[in-house]
This record gives sequence, structure tokens and C-alpha cells, in this order.
Amino acid sequence: SQKIEQNSEALNIQEGKTATLTCNYTNYSPAYLQWYRQDPGRGPVFLLLIRENEKEKRKERLKVTFDTTLKQSLFHITASQPADSATYLCALGGSSNTGKLIFGQGTTLQVKP
Amino acid sequence: GAVVSQHPSWVICKSGTSVKIECRSLDFQATTMFWYRQFPKQSLMLMATSNEGSKATYEQGVEKDKFLINHASLTLSTLTVTSAHPEDSSFYICSASGILGGEETQYFGPGTRLLVL
Repeated sequence: SQKIEQNSEALNIQEGKTATLTCNYTNYSPAYLQWYRQDPGRGPVFLLLIRENEKEKRKERLKVTFDTTLKQSLFHITASQPADSATYLCALGGSSNTGKLIFGQGTTLQVKP
Repeated sequence: GAVVSQHPSWVICKSGTSVKIECRSLDFQATTMFWYRQFPKQSLMLMATSNEGSKATYEQGVEKDKFLINHASLTLSTLTVTSAHPEDSSFYICSASGILGGEETQYFGPGTRLLVL
């Protein structure tokens, strides 16, 4: 069955450092991968989308890589700030064009001042 | 732009009652909306895909007669939890498909916290 794994342990880093979060998947060939941010008690907020034919995508302090051979995506936040503290979810989308997403369980990031 | 609202934001009800949750796309039309359920410290689990003017498509293991979905217009989908029981207590989140920066993505509502006593 399809499986998405994100590091369940919280990631604690110091302000100003680069945070790197990992998303691994098995038994799936996604057409695209998305990253979302979720704050406690709130719905997810879209951050970035990367397609299967793209290796890397950037948006301000965010960078996402997508390796379809390794079946892995890395999500980087450079110059991290305490306001970046949240849970980050990766989600896989298929090529069937239904728009359905399969979500990982998320990794909680804590940036300490 | 691309704001999705949910109502109510939280609800407490007695076991056996039905609860309706509304999901609205405020400034765009959404032909497709999705309903998710999220338990504490767990991932979002897709319950069903709601298409305007047609029957919802439910994920495996989700009872369609218990979780009634109606997508009556391009801006409104409703989820009704019928005969709710304590095990239905969860965080219910809807999303609507839209285009952002030329890319299709999902815009999520703020969620509805349901507690069944």
C-alpha cells in the first residue's frame, strides 16, 4: 500500500539555522508533491508544489527538492525564525487529475530564539 | 484571495445527534471540495471528494450513510455526521481546489472541532 513517511520526532533548531525536513514515500509514483504548514488547531496552508520533472523549487526562504529515484523530497527553511515553528506536512498528488492528495503525518519544527 | 471558511469552528453534541458542518469558498468557485478528518498527532485522512452537482466519492472504509456530503453549489459543500458517537470526535477539515500562481492546489478551511459526549 502507499506509504508516506515524515520524521515523527520534532525537529529543534536554533534561530538563523537551516531547517531540513524529509518526506519519503513508497509504492507510489506521484505526479507532484506539495508541502503545507499547519499550526495547532488550524487547517493546513499551502507552501510549495514541485512536479515529478522538477528537481528543485524555491520560494523566498523555502527550498524543496524532489528525487523520484530515491522517492524522497527535502524541505529546507533557511535563516529560520521562531515564527517558522509549526508542523509541516508533505502531500503527494497523482496523475489522475482528481486533485486528491495523500498526506504524511507531518514533522513539527521548533525554532528557538 | 482563495479563502475557505468552515462553520461552526467547534461543536459539542450528545451521542446520537446529527451535526452539519459547512464549507464555503468565499472568493472563488470550487467544483471540487475535499473532506478530511484528523486525529491528534496524526495525518489528515481523506474521507471523500465532493463534486458540485454530483454524488460524493468516498474513500475506502468511510461510511457514506454516516457521513453525508452535499455539494449544492460551486461555493458550498456540507458534511453531516449522522447519529454521532464519541469515536466520531475529531478535527474535520475541508479544502477546495483552486489555482494559485498558475498551479492547482488545495485551499483549506480552518477546521471544525467536533466533540461527541
